[in-house]
Amino acid sequence: DQQVKQNSPSLSVQEGRISILNCDYTNSMFDYFLWYKKYPAEGPTFLISISSIKDKNEDGRFTVFLNKSAKHLSLHIVPSQPGDSAVYFCAATFRGANNLFFGTGTRLTVIP
Amino acid sequence: DGGITQSPKYLFRKEGQNVTLSCEQNLNHDAMYWYRQDPGQGLRLIYYSQIVNDFQKGDIAEGYSVSREKKESFPLTVTSAQKNPTAFYLCASSMQGRRTNEKLFFGSGTQLSVL
Repeated sequence: DQQVKQNSPSLSVQEGRISILNCDYTNSMFDYFLWYKKYPAEGPTFLISISSIKDKNEDGRFTVFLNKSAKHLSLHIVPSQPGDSAVYFCAATFRGANNLFFGTGTRLTVIP
Repeated sequence: DGGITQSPKYLFRKEGQNVTLSCEQNLNHDAMYWYRQDPGQGLRLIYYSQIVNDFQKGDIAEGYSVSREKKESFPLTVTSAQKNPTAFYLCASSMQGRRTNEKLFFGSGTQLSVL
């Protein structure tokens, strides 16, 4: 049972525009959420996270929004750059869990 | 440079053969993890270890075995019992603390294929 879902397998965006990647979750116990970025044949690297006590967290061009009532979070990348082209994984966890629960990933392509 | 090293980068397994994937970290992290990634799927947890000489099964442990004799090392053996071993395998580590599962640091992965 997939507790973290990324329903868009791929997204294409023009360079300079906004990229919005979405993630939904079903487990109401989740209280910490993370985004990872992954290039082909490499391990994922941590990008940004948010605690459930917040609804927004910003880090440079990257902003994560959390809507707890809708069990939905999104990652905004502004402006998008060709180097942002990668697979983005949403992940979630809760206190006492032993691991992160990952979504299936969204492949972002930024077109120059 | 601190990090996680996985080797080999590519590995081929013959039918009926056991193979071992190496994972070494010099981040002084207590917790280590093995994930498997299949095309179009998220990362699925195979095994994890929060302390030396202790490890726990993850969601898909059948056909795999691990050991944690040293803090720095967490090798994964893919046994002949694993009938569909072709996948990209990722090792990760994290600090032990209030939450052991936040901000995993990943290695660069091993692609295992069956001959």
